[in-house]
Amino acid sequence: QLQLQGSGPGLVKPSETLSLTCTVSGGSISKNSYSWGWIRQPPGKGLEWIGNVFYSGTTYYNPSLKSRVTISVDTSKNEFSLKVSSVTAADTAVYYCARHSYDSSGYHLDFWGQGTLVTVSS
Amino acid sequence: SYELTQPPSVSVSPGHTASITCSGDKLGNKYASWYQQQPGQSPVLVIYQDTKRPSGIPERFSGSNSGNTATLTISGTQAMDEADYYCQAWDNSTRKFVVFGGGTKLTVL
Repeated sequence: QLQLQGSGPGLVKPSETLSLTCTVSGGSISKNSYSWGWIRQPPGKGLEWIGNVFYSGTTYYNPSLKSRVTISVDTSKNEFSLKVSSVTAADTAVYYCARHSYDSSGYHLDFWGQGTLVTVSS
Repeated sequence: SYELTQPPSVSVSPGHTASITCSGDKLGNKYASWYQQQPGQSPVLVIYQDTKRPSGIPERFSGSNSGNTATLTISGTQAMDEADYYCQAWDNSTRKFVVFGGGTKLTVL
């Protein structure tokens, strides 16, 4: 069974860079028809898609976050990563990693990690 | 950018049918997916490609999508179905990004 495990610091200072990693087990990250992405959820609010990456390294980002976000993939480690720069309190959220199953008609997110709470505070 | 609109809350009596809508411009021309999120848990995919159920999702969950509205229907709603539900679609413009609705709190009472 595919599993995704997110990891990274739970506390980040304002203006610094948030960094998270998602390790994939039970399957290869290097498969066509899948991409790997990040979604966040501020406390008490809804889901916000951040972006995704294919194993080739091709990325797509939410336009509202694009200037501060980088998603990368390391196929040798079967993991992918998220960086959000210049964070503020508005970036405080639970960050989820998820597999995106893809065909020409779009994506659905069929496997999710457990979520990592990241708090931005000095 | 593309937007999906859901009602903030829906209530249903146990054993009855709950319908949760998701509206977006020409949404029927895209595929819609639905996710269930229990408190403190990660979202779970319950419907994809408008009508398909992943393995392990009960048959009482079904979906439809036409015109500007996608609908998640839960037949014979049970207390365990009380949760937040999110619709999702894909903006297939040149920017190619995933869009979520704002979420609907389903209360079973």
